[in-house]
Amino acid sequence: QVQLVQSGAEVKKPGASVKVSCKASGYTFTNYNLHWVRQAPGQGLECMGIINPSGGTTNYAQKFQGRLTMTRDTSTSTVYMELSSLRSEDTAVYYCAREGGENGGTLDSWGQGTLVTVSS
Amino acid sequence: DIVMTQSPDSLAVSLGERATINCKSSQSVLYSSNNKNYLAWYQQKPGQPPKLLLYWASTRESGVPDRFSGSGSGTDFTLTISSLQAEDVAVYYCHQCYTTPRTFGQGTKVEIK
Repeated sequence: QVQLVQSGAEVKKPGASVKVSCKASGYTFTNYNLHWVRQAPGQGLECMGIINPSGGTTNYAQKFQGRLTMTRDTSTSTVYMELSSLRSEDTAVYYCAREGGENGGTLDSWGQGTLVTVSS
Repeated sequence: DIVMTQSPDSLAVSLGERATINCKSSQSVLYSSNNKNYLAWYQQKPGQPPKLLLYWASTRESGVPDRFSGSGSGTDFTLTISSLQAEDVAVYYCHQCYTTPRTFGQGTKVEIK
């Protein structure tokens, strides 16, 4: 079955960077885009961007341009999300999610989430 | 960006009664070439990631109970839970997959009255 397993919780100081991993299994890694979605405490869902694991192309939401980098390692079926210049407002749970192929591009499988806390 | 607006923000419904959530997009999410609405609904319970319920506005994901149904087209959509069960207590989000950046509604919290 499809599984997305994310790295563990992080605590970072303002101005630092964080890199979260998402390891995929149970399907052909290069056949499906992966998205990163975050959720601040008690808030809704916010799409950050998309990576195509086949070619490595990315599409970032304007809000994160210049601070966000998504990469992938096809040898380990893992995608990475790195966010730099962290501020307190970046405290959130970060999810990776697979974009389905036959369901209108909806996010049909999700990682368990990674809590990133930004605090001095 | 397409703005997704849900209503209400929260609702309390008695067990076995109907729950209805509305979602409005700031522009159409209907793709004319295939006549499909690129609109999905998710359910999120506390401490869990979202779970896909419906896609193409009205197609149930595998394993989703048939008390969940979706309707609408273009810019106006509805999620209906026909007979609320205790396990349906959650926050529900609509999501447009029509264009990037993908966007979600703000969420609707469903509770038991």
